[in-house]
Amino acid sequence: KAGVTQTPRYLIKTRGQQVTLSCSPISGHRSVSWYQQTPGQGLQFLFEYFSETQRNKGNFPGRFSGRQFSNSRSEMNVSTLELGDSALYLCASSLADRRSYEQYFGPGTRLTVT
Amino acid sequence: GQQVMQIPQYQHVQEGEDFTTYCNSSTTLSNIQWYKQRPGGHPVFLIQLVKSGEVKKQKRLTFQFGEAKKNSSLHITATQTTDVGTYFCAGLAGGSYIPTFGRGTSLIVHP
Repeated sequence: KAGVTQTPRYLIKTRGQQVTLSCSPISGHRSVSWYQQTPGQGLQFLFEYFSETQRNKGNFPGRFSGRQFSNSRSEMNVSTLELGDSALYLCASSLADRRSYEQYFGPGTRLTVT
Repeated sequence: GQQVMQIPQYQHVQEGEDFTTYCNSSTTLSNIQWYKQRPGGHPVFLIQLVKSGEVKKQKRLTFQFGEAKKNSSLHITATQTTDVGTYFCAGLAGGSYIPTFGRGTSLIVHP
């Protein structure tokens, strides 16, 4: 099976701009979660989508939003970028059923805000 | 909310020495997962423990889940340079589909 893919892998944006990141989960996985990883804060959960619905949400401002399509692909959007949004954004897919909760991460998108 | 604490934050070892990282949860967990992230890479799932007192082994790695299902440990015997990376535990509370990650332990192995 192909793994989780994320595009783009690297991105440089300017403060105030917006950005959209894309994630394609492992085939058959209906749950997609997004995480922000920074050296200071570790892995922080942004939100999770399951069958096109946001099922869980972390403690991030409304500038961070996402959506999931019927083919389980997901996008994450950050509006009005701030310098502090510079981070590695990781997407993870999961079966998220009673048999299997493990998360399979993509390679991430490295976002730099200048 | 649920918190997962992981210690130590960093560990330097000489190649061949053993290494242990500990994970403690503020609440009882339904299961716990362990992940490894190599420098410049992304977290990779290692294992999942679900039963109280469970012990699982993967070659030189031994994973334990505490009797009270609130703590876990990962022990690596005779570390090798290929073990370098950050090891994360992630705990799932009952009814949740989203694991809470610890801050990770970065293992540095000196040859």
